[in-house]
Amino acid sequence: AQSVTQLGSHVSVSEGALVLLRCNYSSSVPPYLFWYVQYPNQGLQLLLKYTSAATLVKGINGFEAEFKKSETSFHLTKPSAHMSDAAEYFCAVSDPPYYGGSQGNLIFGKGTKLSVKP
Amino acid sequence: GAVVSQHPSRVICKSGTSVKIECRSLDFQATTMFWYRQFPKQSLMLMATSNEGSKATYEQGVEKDKFLINHASLTLSTLTVTSAHPEDSSFYICSARMAASYQETQYFGPGTRLLVL
Repeated sequence: AQSVTQLGSHVSVSEGALVLLRCNYSSSVPPYLFWYVQYPNQGLQLLLKYTSAATLVKGINGFEAEFKKSETSFHLTKPSAHMSDAAEYFCAVSDPPYYGGSQGNLIFGKGTKLSVKP
Repeated sequence: GAVVSQHPSRVICKSGTSVKIECRSLDFQATTMFWYRQFPKQSLMLMATSNEGSKATYEQGVEKDKFLINHASLTLSTLTVTSAHPEDSSFYICSARMAASYQETQYFGPGTRLLVL
């Protein structure tokens, strides 16, 4: 069974500071990993994804994440926070679609709310 | 590209009535669509997976007779909450995956907020 753990339900950083949102996963097969962002009362927007290619993945809005198999982690980082980054961030894991009959369902972490202080 | 819409964005209904939520992929064909439910300040919980032209696969604990899902075309899936009750009030989000081999990305709709009085 797959699972995702996001450490810290709420992270607060100052504008211009490093953003680090933690995600650890558990999976019995090589996972696909995703980070999504959700603004209030909106759906989810894909930030980036890891699908077994390069372990350092660059996404939109200056975010990137590194897949570390030895640590079963997929932490999200951004060198310099912007006020517009304030939102809820979700890490998700899935089996590769069609792998062993999988439909590629996403299993989400509980989310981390990012606040950015001026 | 890869835009998913939902309609309505917000609905208020009386207890006992049924509510239909539409999910459309606007610029791509989606063989698979997913329906999620999100409670306040919580994560998304997968309710069901639907493939075009076949019956939906429901997650454990989700009542298929209460949450009717239809995926009649490659661009439209509907979720009908039948005989809604206040505990069904929630944020319902759909997602769609492209009809192409090994496409892994799900594109999410903006969500529908349901309030049952």
